[in-house]
Amino acid sequence: GAVVSQHPSRVICKSGTSVKIECRSLDFQATTMFWYRQFPKQSLMLMATSNEGSKATYEQGVEKDKFLINHASLTLSTLTVTSAHPEDSSFYICSATPIGAGIQNSPLHFGNGTRLTVT
Amino acid sequence: DQQVKQNSPSLSVQEGRISILNCDYTNSMFDYFLWYKKYPAEGPTFLISISSIKDKNEDGRFTVFLNKSAKHLSLHIVPSQPGDSAVYFCAATFGGTGTASKLTFGTGTRLQVTL
Repeated sequence: GAVVSQHPSRVICKSGTSVKIECRSLDFQATTMFWYRQFPKQSLMLMATSNEGSKATYEQGVEKDKFLINHASLTLSTLTVTSAHPEDSSFYICSATPIGAGIQNSPLHFGNGTRLTVT
Repeated sequence: DQQVKQNSPSLSVQEGRISILNCDYTNSMFDYFLWYKKYPAEGPTFLISISSIKDKNEDGRFTVFLNKSAKHLSLHIVPSQPGDSAVYFCAATFGGTGTASKLTFGTGTRLQVTL
């Protein structure tokens, strides 16, 4: 089955620093990847849609300058949390679907997430 | 504006019995629905899905029912097993037969299957 790998699984950083999270599709190519965020005991909230070779599309209320997304290849998307603050502490999850598969042929596959703690 | 809602934050069911998890949605544009299972500190794992042109889809112990007029779907797990204990998310999307579609998730229901 389609595998999505996310790295790191856990990161602790100091306030004001930047953190990069990688999302890789291991056995398929994806022109589109999605980045979600989950606060404790809450739903997964879509942050942005990462598009290979073009700019990401951000959901309302998500600061594009704070959450930088780069989708440089068909197997890798990165999310960089810039100038992190304690309120950015959360669980970040990426997801992807094989090119052309569509949601009804291949449901979104998720990475295992990254627990970010900003001290 | 929570377009997908799971009104029961938790559910406890005895092993061997049926678990019924409910989900309601408000956006009539949604035409495809999915259920995901999630363990702590892991990403969601796909369980089962249903298109709006159907009212039932079954896969082993898992069955999803869709009532379009009520904008309601439910996931039935029978028989329930201790390994089913997890958080279950309902998700919805629309318009995505050939392109990747973004999902709108419910708030989740924590299922505890007891011995």
